Amino acid sequence: DAKTTQPTSMDCAEGRAANLPCNHSTISGNEYVYWYRQIHSQGPQYIIHGLKNNETNEMASLIITEDRKSSTLILPHATLRDTAVYYCIVGDTGTASKLTFGTGTRLQVML
Amino acid sequence: DAGVTQSPTHLIKTRGQQVTLRCSPKSGHDTVSWYQQALGQGPQFIFQYYEEEERQRGNFPDRFSGHQFPNYSSELNVNALLLGDSALYLCASSLRYTDYGYTFGSGTRLTVV
Repeated sequence: DAKTTQPTSMDCAEGRAANLPCNHSTISGNEYVYWYRQIHSQGPQYIIHGLKNNETNEMASLIITEDRKSSTLILPHATLRDTAVYYCIVGDTGTASKLTFGTGTRLQVML
Repeated sequence: DAGVTQSPTHLIKTRGQQVTLRCSPKSGHDTVSWYQQALGQGPQFIFQYYEEEERQRGNFPDRFSGHQFPNYSSELNVNALLLGDSALYLCASSLRYTDYGYTFGSGTRLTVV
């Protein structure tokens, strides 16, 4: 699985957009980009995933660069409840594959 | 709709003992994966079960073993516990060959003393 690089921590004001970057320069053609988050004392929660095109769901948007070497997770209106560790994971498609977690980005949403 | 259920939530064991952790997957899911999360680290993949067989295994010793039952529930067994086995053990379930993502339980906090 390709490795990912994320900033260790980020801050965001409540109500503003949170933009979390991820570098995955060694991603291969059949690998997806997945985002999960882990709120303190809970298990990770699936957010979104994509292959080439930008994706949006009720939680977030995922922007993948054309060369697929980096991506950005966007939380459009961050709330205090979005404070968590966010993991960017690159891996084979489908849930037959394992997830390889890094150390993620700790997002702190502030008043 | 119940999500992934893990038991117990907390456990304290003595070095050298054996432990069994249990997981009930989300309704409709058929694949169960186990992860170990040390303090301050991301989860590390232990193994995955599908159709009652171990399908993938991470870099964990044979002291870590598992089982999946016909109802898709699963157990994680750890023998000869070491202090370094103290961690949060997470179970994740999924429907195989889909892109819907994994559903994780809240984990079992194991402390080895």
